[in-house]
Amino acid sequence: NAGVTQTPKFQVLKTGQSMTLQCAQDMNHEYMSWYRQDPGMGLRLIHYSVGAGITDQGEVPNGYNVSRSTTEDFPLRLLSAAPSQTSVYFCASSRPGTVNYGYTFGSGTRLTVV
Amino acid sequence: GENVEQHPSTLSVQEGDSAVIKCTYSDSASNYFPWYKQELGKGPQLIIDIRSNVGEKKDQRIAVTLNKTAKHFSLHITETQPEDSAVYFCAASIGGGSQGNLIFGKGTKLSVKP
Repeated sequence: NAGVTQTPKFQVLKTGQSMTLQCAQDMNHEYMSWYRQDPGMGLRLIHYSVGAGITDQGEVPNGYNVSRSTTEDFPLRLLSAAPSQTSVYFCASSRPGTVNYGYTFGSGTRLTVV
Repeated sequence: GENVEQHPSTLSVQEGDSAVIKCTYSDSASNYFPWYKQELGKGPQLIIDIRSNVGEKKDQRIAVTLNKTAKHFSLHITETQPEDSAVYFCAASIGGGSQGNLIFGKGTKLSVKP
């Protein structure tokens, strides 16, 4: 099993550009989520999904869109990048309803917006 | 809203000493408390977790304790080694966890000096 795979690992964008961060998992997990990690701020939830076709907003959703057309994939879209979106982004998945549903995280995407 | 406070933000210990990281949570319905270790340049990795019906759980040199009445839980690492150096995050389920959302503390940077 590959677990949670994120691409790309690094990306530099110019202000106003758009891009999609990819996330795929092969564990048949219903739950997937996106976090951003900034110094001193910990992990903040952007969007999450409890199953294919279902998405919802987290703590910091502005400037980001998501969709969940399949169980395996949960892409994060930046429509018009801003310097404030410079961060490290992590995708995570889990299976709620099991006894211990700790997340499996991807290795992250480091995004710089100039 | 729900909140998880984590202390200390940085912790430095000598190799062989013990390290303790403490977290408090605000949601009395939280029932699942995982801990994550994040090494430099990597995604967080689940190291131990505990359910609300258990007061303590051990796995070799690490243990977690939970006090539901006081709404706090702690990570204990004994006989620390240089490879324990990392950032550690605590988390708590939001509500009973049926959807799968977790809220994270801001992290503790642990340094183990040889």
